[in-house]
Amino acid sequence: QKEVEQDPGPLSVPEGAIVSLNCTYSNSAFQYFMWYRQYSRKGPELLMYTYSSGNKEDGRFTAQVDKSSKYISLFIRDSQPSDSATYLCAMSRTGANNLFFGTGTRLTVIP
Amino acid sequence: ETGVTQSPTHLIKTRGQQVTLRCSSQSGHNTVSWYQQALGQGPQFIFQYYREEENGRGNFPPRFSGLQFPNYSSELNVNALELDDSALYLCASFPAGGADTQYFGPGTRLTVL
Repeated sequence: QKEVEQDPGPLSVPEGAIVSLNCTYSNSAFQYFMWYRQYSRKGPELLMYTYSSGNKEDGRFTAQVDKSSKYISLFIRDSQPSDSATYLCAMSRTGANNLFFGTGTRLTVIP
Repeated sequence: ETGVTQSPTHLIKTRGQQVTLRCSSQSGHNTVSWYQQALGQGPQFIFQYYREEENGRGNFPPRFSGLQFPNYSSELNVNALELDDSALYLCASFPAGGADTQYFGPGTRLTVL
């Protein structure tokens, strides 16, 4: 069993839709949770960071962490074609050290 | 502020050869990590360097080795290349002690024929 599971998609939505991306994990020691966006043939770019359980909002993006269920989510409101990318969840036990990634979900927002 | 840079952008090698990939950390970052990202997969942790010493390693064989220099730049060396080593190699940096996450470079795409 992988430590982090993520539905690889692909996921296609119309412009303006609300997108929900999810990951589950098995290691209860994970305390730090991140979402990265990766465009084709580029390095991952940090979108959201959350410590422990709770919600965090940044513009059109909302990250949620439910440690009791070992489940994290990223919501994108009013999705735009420029949001088309692969979204990677990542988590760690000790801050920035040794990130464990999901496989990534490929999102396409259709104009 | 300068971000993480990597060189070369692309590289083609044949099986059995050796390769060296290079990374310059983001300004002020003294810790560097390397990740391997196979096509359609998430990045997998190879190892991490702090103060020129390896201080964490993932499930990769010893033919994957690294160096960190006093200016915090870093190298990833892979010996006896195998076809499965074809991947995007990502370098990430962060300041030790209190950093919440890592900042990635654009990667080096290695193709092994």
